[in-house]
Amino acid sequence: AQTVTQSQPEMSVQEAETVTLSCTYDTSESDYYLFWYKQPPSRQMILVIRQEAYKQQNATENRFSVNFQKAAKSFSLKISDSQLGDAAMYFCAYRTLGGDMRFGAGTRLTVKP
Amino acid sequence: GAVVSQHPSRVICKSGTSVKIECRSLDFQATTMFWYRQFPKQSLMLMATSNEGSKATYEQGVEKDKFLINHASLTLSTLTVTSAHPEDSSFYICSARRDRGFVSTEAFFGQGTRLTVV
Repeated sequence: AQTVTQSQPEMSVQEAETVTLSCTYDTSESDYYLFWYKQPPSRQMILVIRQEAYKQQNATENRFSVNFQKAAKSFSLKISDSQLGDAAMYFCAYRTLGGDMRFGAGTRLTVKP
Repeated sequence: GAVVSQHPSRVICKSGTSVKIECRSLDFQATTMFWYRQFPKQSLMLMATSNEGSKATYEQGVEKDKFLINHASLTLSTLTVTSAHPEDSSFYICSARRDRGFVSTEAFFGQGTRLTVV
């Protein structure tokens, strides 16, 4: 079974600073997708960034980037130049090519002005 | 981007009644949709996978007779909570996956439904 672990229930960052959210996963598959989703108070799930396991290059979306370490089964999210609007729950998720999506427990990010 | 509409966003019902939640993919076809349940301050837990034209696949521990899923078209899946009880109160979220040939894209999420059973 695939599991996703987020070991940081809560994180805090100063506005304009950088923060890294951790995620590890367990799988026996060689090909899969990894995601970071943001869930603000509205509870709408918003895709932040996606990584295909077969790609060695780390995905980047503006201020968001990942550090994907396939051998270590690690998938951390780095948020640069943090903004007040980044405050939310962040969920790491895993999915096989044709399977369903499994989520970690989430990390609540607070951004201090 | 792809849009998934979930309705209603909030519903309050009496114990013993049934509630239907709809999940629609507005601008794409979705052979597969997923239903999740989220308790306060917790993660999304997959309840079932809904497949167009066939029976849903339920996760272990989810009562299929209580949570009825129908996926009658490529754009609509419904979740019916039958004989609702207060412990069924939760936030329910659907997602739809758009498949392009043999490559699956990410899933798109509905806005969620907050169900309160009184």
